[in-house]
Amino acid sequence: GAVVSQHPSRVICKSGTSVKIECRSLDFQATTMFWYRQFPKKSLMLMATSNEGSKATYEQGVEKDKFLINHASLTLSTLTVTSAHPEDSSFYICSARDSRTPIDTQYFGPGTRLTVL
Amino acid sequence: ILNVEQSPQSLHVQEGDSTNFTCSFPSSNFYALHWYRWETAKSPEALFVMTLNGDEKKKGRISATLNTKEGYSYLYIKGSQPEDSATYLCASIPGGTSYGKLTFGQGTILTVHP
Repeated sequence: GAVVSQHPSRVICKSGTSVKIECRSLDFQATTMFWYRQFPKKSLMLMATSNEGSKATYEQGVEKDKFLINHASLTLSTLTVTSAHPEDSSFYICSARDSRTPIDTQYFGPGTRLTVL
Repeated sequence: ILNVEQSPQSLHVQEGDSTNFTCSFPSSNFYALHWYRWETAKSPEALFVMTLNGDEKKKGRISATLNTKEGYSYLYIKGSQPEDSATYLCASIPGGTSYGKLTFGQGTILTVHP
């Protein structure tokens, strides 16, 4: 299957700083990528849909000014957690939609564990 | 059913046992169901994508069935091995969604003991 990388895998930052997470599709082009967040013992919750060359679409309840998404190329989407606070500590994971497959299979990165002190 | 629900939440089996778990999803406005296998510290791996009522798919010792009318899917593992230990996630895509938004269940954590 297709490969999606995510960087960094783990980050610890101080409260008030911004953190950027990168999601790359390594062997296919992805016009659409998705960002998810997982709270402890909960399912993956979709935060936003990232569209190459246009603005991201955010799910209800997700602050677009807090979670900035940029999809500048067909292989890279970034999520920036701005002015991070301890409540932003979570597991963030991206996926890239492979439109070559019949039913738009999504391939996931390995995730990023963010800890805000 | 309004959300995607998986049961059981966790399962412990012995090597060689066969096992199965359930994914329930909203049956109205259904488009597709995905199954993923997620090992710790790795990316979730796509197992199956299913769309048609009565679909049955197989990949090695793992198979899945789909009932879109009643809104459930079963995942079966035959002759479980320790390397099958992982979290198994299902996710549905409702009809009319052009961007493939997945709604995930909480997952079933499978542990296979040698």
